Amino acid sequence: GAGVSQSPSNKVTEKGKDVELRCDPISGHTALYWYRQRLGQGLEFLIYFQGNSAPDKSGLPSDRFSAERTGESVSTLTIQRTQQEDSAVYLCASSLAEGQETQYFGPGTRLLVL
Amino acid sequence: SQQGEEDPQALSIQEGENATMNCSYKTSINNLQWYRQNSGRGLVHLILIRSNEREKHSGRLRVTLDTSKKSSSLLITASRAADTASYFCATDGGSGYALNFGKGTSLLVTP
Repeated sequence: GAGVSQSPSNKVTEKGKDVELRCDPISGHTALYWYRQRLGQGLEFLIYFQGNSAPDKSGLPSDRFSAERTGESVSTLTIQRTQQEDSAVYLCASSLAEGQETQYFGPGTRLLVL
Repeated sequence: SQQGEEDPQALSIQEGENATMNCSYKTSINNLQWYRQNSGRGLVHLILIRSNEREKHSGRLRVTLDTSKKSSSLLITASRAADTASYFCATDGGSGYALNFGKGTSLLVTP
């Protein structure tokens, strides 16, 4: 079956502009995660959605970052007033349920802020 | 914050040789996972080992976990050029969902 998909694959934007990144999880997966990976680094957790529960936003680095998810489907990560330090690969993952379950990652969106 | 730390940062071996990567972490965990990443994009899940397990095998992969030392190792036997990638360990840090990744080990397998 189809895996996690993300769009766009690459995004180049100017400092100060807003960007929206999209994630389509694997069908039936109730848990969805966003991570950020800076060049040469590991992944940093950003936000977690589980079903209709309130999301865990503890990893969001600033109030310029926000994310939404409608039910158990698509999620969007929005970065307002982008800064150069936001340049990174943004990875989305989904899993069947929370906890002790394998997370399946999408190919990521590579964001470059000029 | 990055809890896992992989060692070495980079490893270069020839095809057919074994590759061993180590991971250390700081807090208690429910499980530890190893992922592979090619060309800085999507991660592929390799293996998950739970905190009550000591060793696990999957094909040419062997993972060990020592919770008393807060460390894990990934052994790839009979390596192939296609194994060239970055390898990351990830722990759940007790939360049960948010994974904490190290910076990874970059493995180069030459023909």
